[in-house]
Amino acid sequence: QQPVQSPQAVILREGEDAVINCSSSKALYSVHWYRQKHGEAPVFLMILLKGGEQKGHEKISASFNEKKQQSSLYLTASQLSYSGTYFCGTGSGGAQKLVFGQGTRLTINP
Amino acid sequence: GAGVSQSPSNKVTEKGKDVELRCDPISGHTALYWYRQSLGQGLEFLIYFQGNSAPDKSGLPSDRFSAERTGGSVSTLTIQRTQQEDSAVYLCASSPQGTSYNEQFFGPGTRLTVL
Repeated sequence: QQPVQSPQAVILREGEDAVINCSSSKALYSVHWYRQKHGEAPVFLMILLKGGEQKGHEKISASFNEKKQQSSLYLTASQLSYSGTYFCGTGSGGAQKLVFGQGTRLTINP
Repeated sequence: GAGVSQSPSNKVTEKGKDVELRCDPISGHTALYWYRQSLGQGLEFLIYFQGNSAPDKSGLPSDRFSAERTGGSVSTLTIQRTQQEDSAVYLCASSPQGTSYNEQFFGPGTRLTVL
């Protein structure tokens, strides 16, 4: 079942912070975060695993609440380059495929 | 090193025709995924290959869609008797292993337009 992302869209000024949320109705084993700029392929940001392991870019932070089956991506002191659509992808149990959310469109203005 | 490549980058076809989309994954990656992205929408899982295991076809929307992966490398997604609702960007991704701990590397996609 597809995870739900919120908000669907957000507009910020450069330097402001943003939080993007991803919720699932299924028990999660992993959450992936990707960013896609217009007309480009999605690019990996971070993976969070059940049990607390994380793998990703240093400047990105995220959390994974296993009990609530939720993950949040934190973008602090946003830069113009952060603009794009952010997708979470969730993995459940032994399944190795990811189910992606509908995306959150982030616009950073100068 | 070389990333995931896809061809063609754009494909325009007439309703009812068959199309083949190609994906070249990163060398050594055992897992390969196909996704479909309609305009302004998220990533819809289609099919997943992992090594020599039987593919996970659970996301294929109809029996007009099929995919194969030859020699554990190149993959072809075939859509038969295309319909206008098949118009979308088809993205391929590969991963070192097919586990939830491995990031997926996406190709640039093939934009399919069915007239």
